[in-house]
Amino acid sequence: DAKTTQPNSMESNEEEPVHLPCNHSTISGTDYIHWYRQLPSQGPEYVIHGLTSNVNNRMASLAIAEDRKSSTLILHRATLRDAAVYYCILKAGNTPLVFGKGTRLSVIA
Amino acid sequence: NAGVMQNPRHLVRRRGQEARLRCSPMKGHSHVYWYRQLPEEGLKFMVYLQKENIIDESGMPKERFSAEFPKEGPSILRIQQVVRGDSAAYFCASSPIASNTGELFFGEGSRLTVL
Repeated sequence: DAKTTQPNSMESNEEEPVHLPCNHSTISGTDYIHWYRQLPSQGPEYVIHGLTSNVNNRMASLAIAEDRKSSTLILHRATLRDAAVYYCILKAGNTPLVFGKGTRLSVIA
Repeated sequence: NAGVMQNPRHLVRRRGQEARLRCSPMKGHSHVYWYRQLPEEGLKFMVYLQKENIIDESGMPKERFSAEFPKEGPSILRIQQVVRGDSAAYFCASSPIASNTGELFFGEGSRLTVL
């Protein structure tokens, strides 16, 4: 599986936008970029995914670099409930999701 | 539509006993995945099953662990002769199809403590 690199931790103030970066320089043409998050003591939760174009949904936006070697998950207004570990994952075909260490996001009131 | 249901949520076993963890996927989902999360670590893939078939068990320990997903009923992750190192949270996920665009729906996990 292609690897992703994320910062170990990030901090944000409440109600401010958060940009969570992910590098995936060895991404292949058919890999989709998936983001999941895991709130404390809960199972992971799907956030968003994309291939080439930027994507928006009710939870977040995903900005994908033109060369696809990096992407950024954007939370438009962080709330305390967004404090979680965020995982950036490349998915090829029907292979299982492989989770890395993710970025632990802290949100300060 | 109920989400992925896992039970028990918490299970305590003594060393050498057996642990059985159950996962009922979302309605209409025929693909099930099991993950293990050790304390303060990330999720590790264990096994991927489709009804009555094991598709990928590359993450399963070679001994003591087994998984099944029968035609009827929940998927079962079975751990025989548990040891302290098996203490972890075990998460199940399901999906209706297997693809690189498919979203996985996770349960809330079963937390196994081995005394």
